Amino acid sequence: NAGVMQNPRHLVRRRGQEARLRCSPMKGHSHVYWYRQLPEEGLKFMVYLQKENIIDESGMPKERFSAEFPKEGPSILRIQQVVRGDSAAYFCASSPKQGFGYTFGSGTRLTVV
Amino acid sequence: AQTVTQSQPEMSVQEAETVTLSCTYDTSESNYYLFWYKQPPSRQMILVIRQEAYKQQNATENRFSVNFQKAAKSFSLKISDSQLGDTAMYFCAFMKHAGSGGSNYKLTFGKGTLLTVNP
Repeated sequence: NAGVMQNPRHLVRRRGQEARLRCSPMKGHSHVYWYRQLPEEGLKFMVYLQKENIIDESGMPKERFSAEFPKEGPSILRIQQVVRGDSAAYFCASSPKQGFGYTFGSGTRLTVV
Repeated sequence: AQTVTQSQPEMSVQEAETVTLSCTYDTSESNYYLFWYKQPPSRQMILVIRQEAYKQQNATENRFSVNFQKAAKSFSLKISDSQLGDTAMYFCAFMKHAGSGGSNYKLTFGKGTLLTVNP
């Protein structure tokens, strides 16, 4: 049973480009969470999604950031017009029930140059 | 809102010795979960141990145990017989209990403690 799969593992984007981060939850998990880890910080909650629904996006910046979890396929975190301050590690986690039995992926490290 | 504080940015310990990592938190909730996560250089977030606030007994997992002091809002992690593979960042985290309502799915993390185990 594969764990939570995130890709790419590393992503380099120039300022102004778009970044698309993918997360495939564990089999049987329908709850997905995205967290961001800035350098020398703990993880901070961004958004919680269930299939086709955004449940809580209170941690997402109001502009340029969006997330989706379609009926088929992985969850996507999209960052438009990236800036240097977006450089961070982005982690996805999934769970079989709301807030219970979290499993994290290995993260995507985004570097904006 | 909940806050989690880890006051030790870095710690080191000799192999086979015991080390304790500190964590304090602030919440108005009466029921919640506390966690310790390990993040090795591979960056994978690995759950080390979990404590339910309504359980008075301290959780243990092999060489890892916690000292949970609910009144003091303290949740320290003790690692016994330290091994080189224990070298990692350790994060303390808080989550509201499922029955608490509200955002009972959101983990709040401290800033972490970098533990180095020396041979």
